Amino acid sequence: AQSVTQPDIHITVSEGASLELRCNYSYGATPYLFWYVQSPGQGLQLLLKYFSGDTLVQGIKGFEAEFKRSQSSFNLRKPSVHWSDAAEYYCAVGEPGNTPLVFGKGTRLSVIA
Amino acid sequence: NAGVTQTPKFQVLKTGQSMTLQCAQDMNHNSMYWYRQDPGMGLRLIYYSASEGTTDKGEVPNGYNVSRLNKREFSLRLESAAPSQTSVYFCASSEARSSSYEQYFGPGTRLTVT
Repeated sequence: AQSVTQPDIHITVSEGASLELRCNYSYGATPYLFWYVQSPGQGLQLLLKYFSGDTLVQGIKGFEAEFKRSQSSFNLRKPSVHWSDAAEYYCAVGEPGNTPLVFGKGTRLSVIA
Repeated sequence: NAGVTQTPKFQVLKTGQSMTLQCAQDMNHNSMYWYRQDPGMGLRLIYYSASEGTTDKGEVPNGYNVSRLNKREFSLRLESAAPSQTSVYFCASSEARSSSYEQYFGPGTRLTVT
């Protein structure tokens, strides 16, 4: 069975600092991987996704993520965080076919001045 | 193109009352999902429908029923609400037959059971 672990429940960074959110997955084959963001009181919005090919994927809002098969990881990065990036971030894993995504428990990002 | 819509946005129920949460999507997606979101628990799948006419249980189905009314609509029913069902409920849809597989989410329904 697939599973996703987001080791950090809450991260605080200063505005302008770099950011890395960790995600580890468990899946036998090459997974489909996703990062979603949820602003307070909102639904989830897709930031980026990985299916195959280039292991460094670019997303919206200046985010990127790198798929590392050897480490079973798909960490999310941003070189310079803005106050508006404060939100909950979810990593998810899926597989081909009509099966639901499996989500991690999320990482809450706080941004301080 | 509204995407995924959910009604109502907020609801307060008394223990034992019933209600139906409505979800509709206008993206012609085959698959639809219901999740609940609780602090520290992330998103947990309640039920999903891989295609019109089919439904399957997720991780936390007890106390809920679903109906895939047609391709657009997927409703979630609480027959006898309990305080443990206080949560934020999200509906999502996806086109699982393409190379996409990402899920599109509605804005959520915040339910309080007293």
